[in-house]
Amino acid sequence: SQTIHQWPATLVQPVGSPLSLECTVEGTSNPNLYWYRQAAGRGLQLLFYSVGIGQISSEVPQNLSASRPQDRQFILSSKKLLLSDSGFYLCAWSVAVVDGYTFGSGTRLTVV
Amino acid sequence: AQSVTQLGSHVSVSEGALVLLRCNYSSSVPPYLFWYVQYPNQGLQLLLKYTTGATLVKGINGFEAEFKKSETSFHLTKPSAHMSDAAEYFCAVRISNDYKLSFGAGTTVTVRA
Repeated sequence: SQTIHQWPATLVQPVGSPLSLECTVEGTSNPNLYWYRQAAGRGLQLLFYSVGIGQISSEVPQNLSASRPQDRQFILSSKKLLLSDSGFYLCAWSVAVVDGYTFGSGTRLTVV
Repeated sequence: AQSVTQLGSHVSVSEGALVLLRCNYSSSVPPYLFWYVQYPNQGLQLLLKYTTGATLVKGINGFEAEFKKSETSFHLTKPSAHMSDAAEYFCAVRISNDYKLSFGAGTTVTVRA
């Protein structure tokens, strides 16, 4: 069966520090991968998506970046965090359009 | 382009009462429609989906939704609310040739004892 792993579950980082969040998928090949963010009191914001290795599409210009070094690995990064980067980050994957997304358990990031 | 509107950011129901969450979408092609549930500090879990065929779809935890093309709606219902239904619910729409889901703003459900 397919599973998605996302870590860490919680993270507290100082302003200006770097960030690396990792997401891996098991049990499937060539998935579409997504990074979403939920800020307090706001809905789901699509940050990046990828349809293949090395292929990244950015939805919102910001100080975050994403990479897909392997087929089932998706990484969200920042060189210098801002207070506004705080939020709940969710990774998701899909293969068939009709199935929708499967989400990871999320990472709660607090920038202090 | 597609978009999703969820009417009501907060819904409060009594335990045992009907739960009704409203979702309207706009789409230029027949959509695929989804409802997700999110419990605090967790990821989103698929409740149910509509792609083609029967317009009344049943999901997990006793929820169901009906696709009404003429009204461009996909409202979520549950006949009798349980305390464990307290969560945030998201409606989403996907176009068949698009990799991305468009999510509504979410509706938070509170269940009163």
